Amino acid sequence: GAVVSQHPSWVICKSGTSVKIECRSLDFQATTMFWYRQFPKQSLMLMATSNEGSKATYEQGVEKDKFLINHASLTLSTLTVTSAHPEDSSFYICSAVRDYTDTQYFGPGTRLTVL
Amino acid sequence: GQQVMQIPQYQHVQEGEDFTTYCNSSTTLSNIQWYKQRPGGHPVFLIQLVKSGEVKKQKRLTFQFGEAKKNSSLHITATQTTDVGTYFCAGIGSNDYKLSFGAGTTVTVRA
Repeated sequence: GAVVSQHPSWVICKSGTSVKIECRSLDFQATTMFWYRQFPKQSLMLMATSNEGSKATYEQGVEKDKFLINHASLTLSTLTVTSAHPEDSSFYICSAVRDYTDTQYFGPGTRLTVL
Repeated sequence: GQQVMQIPQYQHVQEGEDFTTYCNSSTTLSNIQWYKQRPGGHPVFLIQLVKSGEVKKQKRLTFQFGEAKKNSSLHITATQTTDVGTYFCAGIGSNDYKLSFGAGTTVTVRA
């Protein structure tokens, strides 16, 4: 159990376009989902915390108008990178928890390349 | 929030040898977790330590949580080529629910 999927697994887009990434908990209801970004050879950096039915909480330095997060249901959260630029190219990973005492279950990640 | 530091950043190991990666937090943690990420993959949960001084073993991997709950270590004995990857520690603060990841230790193995 505790499987998290992400779609797409990779995407290449032109500079200035928007890209939506989906994160789904397949076999459990996730009260909270987290979005991370990982640059090559670096660690995971938390971007935002997403709770179902409420606004996401963004970490310091993360632009909420650029990285739109919607947590429409207990099994789905989406991250939209708006007006993407080459510096947004990264590995975006989501994770989901059933409750705050739970460990985080990570999705397989989405590799975004902005040309 | 807490800052989690991890050393070494890189570990090149002869197959069959042991190695240890260390994790230190700037503040007391409620728990610490360890993940393994293979090249091109996503982090996979290995273990969670909650109690002060806790030691847990998974086959050749030994995980330890410090008495002060501010540091942790992962020791791998008799390294195999399947151990290749990056090992991350990640801590949750006492008054928090967010994971703070260490920089990771990237392990390569020479046969």
